[in-house]
Amino acid sequence: EDKVVQSPLSLVVHEGDTVTLNCSYEVTNFRSLLWYKQEKKAPTFLFMLTSSGIEKKSGRLSSILDKKELFSILNITATQTGDSAVYLCAVTYLYNAGNMLTFGGGTRLMVKP
Amino acid sequence: KAGVTQTPRYLIKTRGQQVTLSCSPISGHRSVSWYQQTPGQGLQFLFEYFSETQRNKGNFPGRFSGRQFSNSRSEMNVSTLELGDSALYLCASSPRSSYNEQFFGPGTRLTVL
Repeated sequence: EDKVVQSPLSLVVHEGDTVTLNCSYEVTNFRSLLWYKQEKKAPTFLFMLTSSGIEKKSGRLSSILDKKELFSILNITATQTGDSAVYLCAVTYLYNAGNMLTFGGGTRLMVKP
Repeated sequence: KAGVTQTPRYLIKTRGQQVTLSCSPISGHRSVSWYQQTPGQGLQFLFEYFSETQRNKGNFPGRFSGRQFSNSRSEMNVSTLELGDSALYLCASSPRSSYNEQFFGPGTRLTVL
């Protein structure tokens, strides 16, 4: 069965800390891995990764994919209280000639002042 | 450009009833995907419509159905509601059938009593 697993389930840090969130997956016909941030509303897109070893970066956030070991990490440096959210990882894969998407359970990050 | 809109935002139904949720995508977007989010199961893919055709469906019973109109607006229907259908139902649109470009709506919170 295709699955996406995120760890840790939750994390509490202080402002200024650096955090690493993990996402491992087992899917057939992998297409891409996506990271989303969800606060008290709908998810917002962060990154899409398709190639191994190429880091995507946006400000203090960065992410990298390892297609051999089937995982991705999301790094947040110099965390701020506004980074508090649930971070979701999703994997798209080919299914029935179309794309399917499976989400992980998310990592809840709380950043304390 | 207006974002994705979903109506209603909140809904309370009783077991056995049916419900129809509506989603208006961003103007020009042809793909609409539906997701169910619950605390226990996380975010799960329901189905995707593109140019009025269902392209893929997640692992949900036949009580869950949908359709897309020629103006790309989409409706999702759940018949014979069960308590376990209580969830946040999210709709996302994208210009193509590409999950990395998805924009999520605010969701409809369905409570089944």
